[in-house]
Amino acid sequence: NAGVTQTPKFQVLKTGQSMTLQCAQDMNHNSMYWYRQDPGMGLRLIYYSASEGTTDKGEVPNGYNVSRLNKREFSLRLESAAPSQTSVYFCASSYRVDEQYFGPGTRLTVT
Amino acid sequence: GENVEQHPSTLSVQEGDSAVIKCTYSDSASNYFPWYKQELGKRPQLIIDIRSNVGEKKDQRIAVTLNKTAKHFSLHITETQPEDSAVYFCAASGGGGGADGLTFGKGTHLIIQP
Repeated sequence: NAGVTQTPKFQVLKTGQSMTLQCAQDMNHNSMYWYRQDPGMGLRLIYYSASEGTTDKGEVPNGYNVSRLNKREFSLRLESAAPSQTSVYFCASSYRVDEQYFGPGTRLTVT
Repeated sequence: GENVEQHPSTLSVQEGDSAVIKCTYSDSASNYFPWYKQELGKRPQLIIDIRSNVGEKKDQRIAVTLNKTAKHFSLHITETQPEDSAVYFCAASGGGGGADGLTFGKGTHLIIQP
């Protein structure tokens, strides 16, 4: 099992560009999550999907959109990137509400 | 929403000594409290968790305690080793009644001095 995978690993964008971060899991988990991690801030929830077909906002959703493509895949889109979105992005999944497993992360820089 | 406070932000201990990291939470409906370890450049990894119907849980050198009345929980690492050096995050969830994600503390950088 690969667990939770994310692409790309690294990305540099110019202000105003768009991109989609991809996440997939092969653990048959129902719930999937996107977090961002900034120095000294811990991890903050951007969006989550409790089950296939549903998505909800987390603590910091502004500037992002998500798509739960199927049970395995959950993507995060930045429509018009801003320097404030420079961060490390982690995708996670869980079978139940609680025990979350994280992907390797995407390091995004917006210039 | 939930708010999780974590202390200290940095903790330096001698190898072989014990380390304690403390967290408080605000939402009395939260019922699940995991601890994650993150090494530099790596993903967070779950090391231990506790649910609100349990007061203490132990796994070899690590233990977690929960005081629901005071809304605080702590991570205890005994006989610390160099490989314990990392950033540790506490988190809380369950207050939303569904799969609404974890609220994390800001992390503790644990340094094990040889």
